[in-house]
Amino acid sequence: DVRLLESGGGLVQPGGSLRLSCAVSGFVFNNYAMTWVRQAPGKGLEWVSTVTSSGSHTYTADSVKGRLAISRDNSKNMLYLQMNDLRVDDTAIYYCAKGHIGWDFDSWGQGTLVTVSS
Amino acid sequence: DIVLTQSPATLSLSPGERATLSCRASQSISSYLAWYQQKPGQPPRLLIYDASNRATGIPARFSGSGSGTDFTLTISSLEPEDFAVYFCQQCTNWPLTFGGGTRVEIK
Repeated sequence: DVRLLESGGGLVQPGGSLRLSCAVSGFVFNNYAMTWVRQAPGKGLEWVSTVTSSGSHTYTADSVKGRLAISRDNSKNMLYLQMNDLRVDDTAIYYCAKGHIGWDFDSWGQGTLVTVSS
Repeated sequence: DIVLTQSPATLSLSPGERATLSCRASQSISSYLAWYQQKPGQPPRLLIYDASNRATGIPARFSGSGSGTDFTLTISSLEPEDFAVYFCQQCTNWPLTFGGGTRVEIK
């Protein structure tokens, strides 16, 4: 079974940092692009960032560029999101998602909640 | 950025009825559209990819159609477990974008 398990969320003050992790199993990790998608409380889905299977290319939403950075460690089957200079509007559930045929996502983790508040 | 507009925002139907959900793109995305279902407290689940292909394990009552800018998700006969929020996503241009969602609720 494909499994994605996020961790690292929590309460942080504006301007603070967090590092989210996503541990994956059940598929050949280095064959697939991986993505972070977030969802503010009661709101819709927002794509955050994608990294290609090898890690050689990343794509990041303008709203977080320069503050949030995606990376992966294919030797550990791990996906990461380094979050710096956090803002109140970064408050959301952050999901990691596995790439599918194209840039769609066929498996999602349960999410980790990031709350940015003073 | 490509804007996806979903309509209606809410669809009130009874079990057994047919649901028709719309997703319109602000520019052509060919057939690079996915549909997801999300239930409260759960992550999204992929239903349809490339506009009309059912994902693994998705029942045949779910179907997708369209190309270019206009897309439709149809649920032929609503089951109790189908009452949820549905999102479309364009999969061709960066940034990837999602529609605002359609809530299918029990009438």
